[in-house]
Amino acid sequence: SQTIHQWPATLVQPVGSPLSLECTVEGTSNPNLYWYRQAAGRGLQLLFYSVGIGQISSEVPQNLSASRPQDRQFILSSKKLLLSDSGFYLCAWTYPRDPLDNEQFFGPGTRLTVL
Amino acid sequence: AQSVTQPDIHITVSEGASLELRCNYSYGATPYLFWYVQSPGQGLQLLLKYFSGDTLVQGIKGFEAEFKRSQSSFNLRKPSVHWSDAAEYFCAVGGGADGLTFGKGTHLIIQP
Repeated sequence: SQTIHQWPATLVQPVGSPLSLECTVEGTSNPNLYWYRQAAGRGLQLLFYSVGIGQISSEVPQNLSASRPQDRQFILSSKKLLLSDSGFYLCAWTYPRDPLDNEQFFGPGTRLTVL
Repeated sequence: AQSVTQPDIHITVSEGASLELRCNYSYGATPYLFWYVQSPGQGLQLLLKYFSGDTLVQGIKGFEAEFKRSQSSFNLRKPSVHWSDAAEYFCAVGGGADGLTFGKGTHLIIQP
């Protein structure tokens, strides 16, 4: 069976510090991978998605970046955090062979607080 | 551009009463529609999805949703809610590899 992991579960960082959030998927190959941010009262916002190693698409210009160094690893980064980066970050994956079957499987999330 | 509207930010329902959460979408092609549930501090769990076929879709935990193309709606229903149904509910639409578009969510409160 497939599982998705995210860490850390919670993170408190000062403004201006760097960020690295990691997401890994087990039990499937070449998944499509996604990073979403959930801010209070704003629902889920798609930040990045990737259909393969080294392939990153950005949905929203921002202070964050993403990388996919391995097939089942997706990393969200920032060089300098802003207060507005606070939120709940969710990683998700979908099967690669049928992009129309868009059921997304979500990880447990990372709660980021920037002070 | 695709969009999803969940007009109710909060809904309060008595335990045992029926529930309907509204969702309206805007999408240029055949929509693929989803309802997810999120418990506090947790990730999202899929309740049900609609791709094609029967417009009344059955999901987990006793939920169902009906796709109405003429109204661009995909409302979620449950005949009798339980206290454990208290959570945040998200409607989403998508049609390609570039992710889903979510509504802002409806916070469901269950009164004893």
